[in-house]
Amino acid sequence: EPEVTQTPSHQVTQMGQEVILRCVPISNHLYFYWYRQILGQKVEFLVSFYNNEISEKSEIFDDQFSVERPDGSNFTLKIRSTKLEDSAMYFCASSDRQGYGYTFGSGTRLTVV
Amino acid sequence: QQQVKQSPQSLIVQKGGISIINCAYENTAFDYFPWYQQFPGKGPALLIAIRPDVSEKKEGRFTISFNKSAKQFSLHIMDSQPGDSATYFCAARETSGSRLTFGEGTQLTVNP
Repeated sequence: EPEVTQTPSHQVTQMGQEVILRCVPISNHLYFYWYRQILGQKVEFLVSFYNNEISEKSEIFDDQFSVERPDGSNFTLKIRSTKLEDSAMYFCASSDRQGYGYTFGSGTRLTVV
Repeated sequence: QQQVKQSPQSLIVQKGGISIINCAYENTAFDYFPWYQQFPGKGPALLIAIRPDVSEKKEGRFTISFNKSAKQFSLHIMDSQPGDSATYFCAARETSGSRLTFGEGTQLTVNP
């Protein structure tokens, strides 16, 4: 079964540093998403991406966040200057229809120290 | 208005029993309601989903019941098994939107 692949599985970074979280969506999917889950809390939407541009973003997705599809297979989330409260599990997802039938990756656990 | 409220927070069921998880919403623009299953260290996996034009959808041991007038929907797991022990999230999507709004999650434990 096709999978969404995320790397790294765990990243530890110093506060104020930049991090890039990487994702390889399912190859024939056109819609890409990032969500985050702070430990023990619900899954929260960050951003959706289609046709090389952001189609929707949440209040969480402020100027310190950016997304990019640098080539035909990767989808990245960059956090410019990490804060302690950015510590969370970050999930990438993709779908072949807008908002339907998401497939999530296994996540990257980001720990900001 | 964007929230989806989920209950209970945790649920313990005996093997073979029925697990019932409930969700409620306010936003009438929601038009798609999926349920996700999440095991520790893994991403959420789509279990079953429903549109508001039907009142019930069944896939194997999993059934969604949908009450449009009450703005509530629920997941029923029949013949619950220890392998069903996981966290379950309901979610909702607005018409023509792309984001999913998740409930708070229910940690289900099925005892052998």
